[in-house]
Amino acid sequence: DIQMTQSPSSLSASVGDRVTITCRASQSISIWLAWYQQKPGKAPRLLIYKASSLESGVPSRFSGSGSGTEFTLTIRSLQPDDFATYYCQQYNGFSRYTFGQGTKLEIK
Amino acid sequence: EVQLVESGGGLVQPGGSLRLSCVGSGFAFSTYWMSWVRQAPGRGLEWVANLNQDGGDKYYDDSVRGRFTISRDNAKNSLYLEMNSLRADDTAVYYCATDRGDGGSHQFDPWGQGTLVTVSS
Repeated sequence: DIQMTQSPSSLSASVGDRVTITCRASQSISIWLAWYQQKPGKAPRLLIYKASSLESGVPSRFSGSGSGTEFTLTIRSLQPDDFATYYCQQYNGFSRYTFGQGTKLEIK
Repeated sequence: EVQLVESGGGLVQPGGSLRLSCVGSGFAFSTYWMSWVRQAPGRGLEWVANLNQDGGDKYYDDSVRGRFTISRDNAKNSLYLEMNSLRADDTAVYYCATDRGDGGSHQFDPWGQGTLVTVSS
């Protein structure tokens, strides 16, 4: 099975900062990667799909990049609403989906 | 409004059974693959099972294969998860989610609000 490793596991930042979260796959997954935001007690929200496509309604300060085994989620100019946990997710073509372990973004 | 609403969670003893339901509205439910994804308390997301549009193709994570059964009723816009031989490590919030496939890309949107399953004596 393909393993997904996110880094860092937690991150402290201030409003207005630019932050980057990395997700590494144990083998190449082309561009088949999605990013989600989850707030406590809520369902995940899709932010990015196909590594870099911004989901409708998601602010443009969110962006994704990467291909193969290394991917990044960047949040430009952090807003108070962005403090949450972020997950990457891959699909390997055999009805197997794997999530990263999550990155908790906290206010500094 | 596009929506998924789960129900059926609760407290069950180890070895017991439970049936979760999920009703979709505001979108063409019958045209999408559907999944169950769970999240143990304080932990990350874990895909559990999925099935195709007519329910003929079903897939399971190794941790639940042989104990859980996924099914759907498109006439009722409903997805189900029959859970048997439940164990303490099945304790989690269970989400139903729509697999919004786009070529080789598969991502989950929308999600339900989740239903909590607690396995404990």
